[in-house]
Amino acid sequence: QITLKESGPTLVKPTQTLTLTCTFSGFSLRTLGVGVGWIRQPPGKALEWLALIYWNDDKHYSPSLKSRLTITKDTSKNQVVLTMTNMDPVDTATYYCGHRLGATGLDYFDYWGQGTLVTVSS
Amino acid sequence: SSELTQDPAVSVALGQTVRITCQGDNLRRYNANWYQQKPGQAPVLVIYGKDNRPSGIPDRFSGSSSGNTASLTITAAQAEDEADYYCNTRDISGNHQFGGGTKVTVL
Repeated sequence: QITLKESGPTLVKPTQTLTLTCTFSGFSLRTLGVGVGWIRQPPGKALEWLALIYWNDDKHYSPSLKSRLTITKDTSKNQVVLTMTNMDPVDTATYYCGHRLGATGLDYFDYWGQGTLVTVSS
Repeated sequence: SSELTQDPAVSVALGQTVRITCQGDNLRRYNANWYQQKPGQAPVLVIYGKDNRPSGIPDRFSGSSSGNTASLTITAAQAEDEADYYCNTRDISGNHQFGGGTKVTVL
């Protein structure tokens, strides 16, 4: 059974760097086609894709946030870490990580963590 | 447009059929996925690869696509289908995107 869980601070100050960890089980990030992504959702607003890391360490970032994001993986710990620099109150959101599966014609997030609410405030 | 556009809200009478649409240029090349999100919960995948249902998703959910528009249809909508629905796809660079979401109300 695949599970993912996000962890990190619930409150960060403006200009600080946010570090979130996604700890997963039930799959390996060494498996062909597998990835882990981060998606966020400000209160009452839509989902926004942030970043994605693949089994082969290929990384993709939202073009609008690319300069602020870094995604890494630790396959031995079954963890993916997302860092976001220069946090601002508009970054207040629930942050989700998701298991990504892909194949010819297919690219989707089939399992999601429960999400973690991060508030940016001084 | 590189964005995905959805109608903000739709309503459907209990037992009737509702179709939710998602428009975007990347849908001409890549399949759409659909997620259901209920208040306070994480999104749940209901359709992937245009018209595939994960295990456990009722067959009243179906997907289709034509040109730059993908659709999610709920046939004989149930009260528990009331939720926000988001479409998702990727672009040629491998970046993902989500639509703005559609709130479905079952009357």
